Amino acid sequence: QVQLVESGGGVVQPGRSLRLSCAASGFTFNTYAMHWVRQAPGKGLEWVAVISYDGINKYYADSVRGRFTISRDNSKNTLYLQMNSLRAEDTAVYYCAKSFSGNYLPYLDYWGQGNLVTVSS
Amino acid sequence: QSALTQPASVSGSPGQSITISCTGTSSDIGGYNYVSWYQQHPGKAPKLMIYDVSQRPSGVSDRFSGSKSGNTASLTISGLQAEDEAEYFCCSYTSSSPVVFGGGTKLTVL
Repeated sequence: QVQLVESGGGVVQPGRSLRLSCAASGFTFNTYAMHWVRQAPGKGLEWVAVISYDGINKYYADSVRGRFTISRDNSKNTLYLQMNSLRAEDTAVYYCAKSFSGNYLPYLDYWGQGNLVTVSS
Repeated sequence: QSALTQPASVSGSPGQSITISCTGTSSDIGGYNYVSWYQQHPGKAPKLMIYDVSQRPSGVSDRFSGSKSGNTASLTISGLQAEDEAEYFCCSYTSSSPVVFGGGTKLTVL
């Protein structure tokens, strides 16, 4: 069965960096686009970034463009989110999610359990 | 990348039908038939309920249906059940971003 397991979250000071990982299993990882979506405490879902199946094409939300970098290692079936210059407003549960297909349509059919990132001094 | 507009809350009694609206613009919902809906129970990850405006993934009950008219998409849940109580998010492809979510609608089953 499809499994997405996030790791790397925690408490970090404003301005610092953090890298999230998402280990995938149960499907052919290198044929699907992958997303990061976040949810601030008590708030709605906010899409963060998507990466193509081959890692070549990447798109970002305006709120994180220039600070966050999405990447993947298809040899390790792992998705990453490098987060730099973190701000208090980046505090959220971060989910990795599998695209329904190989393209960038907004259909996320499997989600990880979520990983809390808290930005605080 | 403005969020799509959803009502904050809706409610219904068991057995009834409810509809959740999701309003966007011609740059997102109105311009593409790429609308999806997600169900999220407290403390859980979201679950894909509808894609391509009205298609249900395998395993999703046929009590859930989706539609679109102009710049507004809708999710209808018929035969409301207690386990349907959750938050629902619409989502669309846009001309400037692959994904934008609505603000979410909390469904209460009375």
